[in-house]
Amino acid sequence: AQKITQTQPGMFVQEKEAVTLDCTYDTSDPSYGLFWYKQPSSGEMIFLIYQGSYDQQNATEGRYSLNFQKARKSANLVISASQLGDSAMYFCAMSSSGNTPLVFGKGTRLSVIA
Amino acid sequence: ETGVTQSPTHLIKTRGQQVTLRCSSQSGHNTVSWYQQALGQGPQFIFQYYREEENGRGNFPPRFSGLQFPNYSSELNVNALELDDSALYLCASSLWGLNTDAFFGQGTRLTVV
Repeated sequence: AQKITQTQPGMFVQEKEAVTLDCTYDTSDPSYGLFWYKQPSSGEMIFLIYQGSYDQQNATEGRYSLNFQKARKSANLVISASQLGDSAMYFCAMSSSGNTPLVFGKGTRLSVIA
Repeated sequence: ETGVTQSPTHLIKTRGQQVTLRCSSQSGHNTVSWYQQALGQGPQFIFQYYREEENGRGNFPPRFSGLQFPNYSSELNVNALELDDSALYLCASSLWGLNTDAFFGQGTRLTVV
């Protein structure tokens, strides 16, 4: 069975600073994908970034980067130059293939302070 | 904004009633997945539909059922509502085999009283 653990219920960051949101995972599947989603108060899950288990390089998408450490089974999200609009819930998720459902962690609430 | 639309956005039902939630998928997508997100939790997988058939189900009782239509839109039906069914229900549309292409709707917030 797959499991995602997010140990930070809430995080605060100063505007324009960088922040790291932690995610560890557990799976016995050799091939899997790791995802990060942002959920504003409106409820919609917004896809941020994806990392495949066989990808050699860490994924980056604009201000988002994923610090993937396979041996440690961690996939931390780094947000650079935080903005007030980044305040939201952030979820780490994984799936073992393109067809299998996403397994989500409990999320981290990020608050960006002016 | 994505092309995935869910209706209604909010709903209040009484325990024991039945409810139908609707989801229109993103243009070009053929797979719809439904998730339940209780307050303070991450989404939990309910089931997935591909080519109008259920293709995978999470740990939810049979009173949770669904449909997918030829235009790939989908419905989630819940019978005999319980207080614990109060949650945000999210649908995600994707192309079969491409979770990285999944788009979520804004969700339906169901309250059971």
